[in-house]
Amino acid sequence: EPEVTQTPSHQVTQMGQEVILRCVPISNHLYFYWYRQILGQKVEFLVSFYNNEISEKSEIFDDQFSVERPDGSNFTLKIRSTKLEDSAMYFCAGRSGTGAGNTIYFGEGSWLTVV
Amino acid sequence: DAKTTQPPSMDCAEGRAANLPCNHSTISGNEYVYWYRQIHSQGPQYIIHGLKNNETNEMASLIITEDRKSSTLILPHATLRDTAVYYCIVRGYMDSNYQLIWGAGTKLIIKP
Repeated sequence: EPEVTQTPSHQVTQMGQEVILRCVPISNHLYFYWYRQILGQKVEFLVSFYNNEISEKSEIFDDQFSVERPDGSNFTLKIRSTKLEDSAMYFCAGRSGTGAGNTIYFGEGSWLTVV
Repeated sequence: DAKTTQPPSMDCAEGRAANLPCNHSTISGNEYVYWYRQIHSQGPQYIIHGLKNNETNEMASLIITEDRKSSTLILPHATLRDTAVYYCIVRGYMDSNYQLIWGAGTKLIIKP
């Protein structure tokens, strides 16, 4: 069964450093998402991406965040200057088609610890 | 905000059916009911979804009431590996790009 794969599984970084989280979506997926989950809290939507541009973003997704899909396969989330409160699990997700009946599939996540 | 209400926690004996309820009284006609689970901070795992009819797959069954205001996820023979947080999510065209809006879920503990 195809899977969404994410790297790294865990990263520790110093405050102020740039971090790039990578995702390889399922090959036929066209719509991509990043979600995050702070330890003990709910899963939160960050951004959705379609046709090489952001289609929706939440209030969390401020100027410190960016996404891109540079080579048509990898989908990346960049945090420009990390803060302590960016420590969380980040999930990449994707779906193949349009409509609410089209399932979103998630990767296993990348734990980011900012110290 | 999440459009669903779930009990915060439930227990179930191993080998028995686990029945997880979900209320979604404000669901509209073109919104789907999705179930995901999350095992110990792993990535959310898709279980099943439905619109109006009951659905069954290799993991679970989804029973949706006729008025669609509530549903039940049934794990027919629960195992210890089914211990997880289960999320019931209503998803439709009103959610930007059909994103998922997560509540707190139900923590299901399977006991030996």
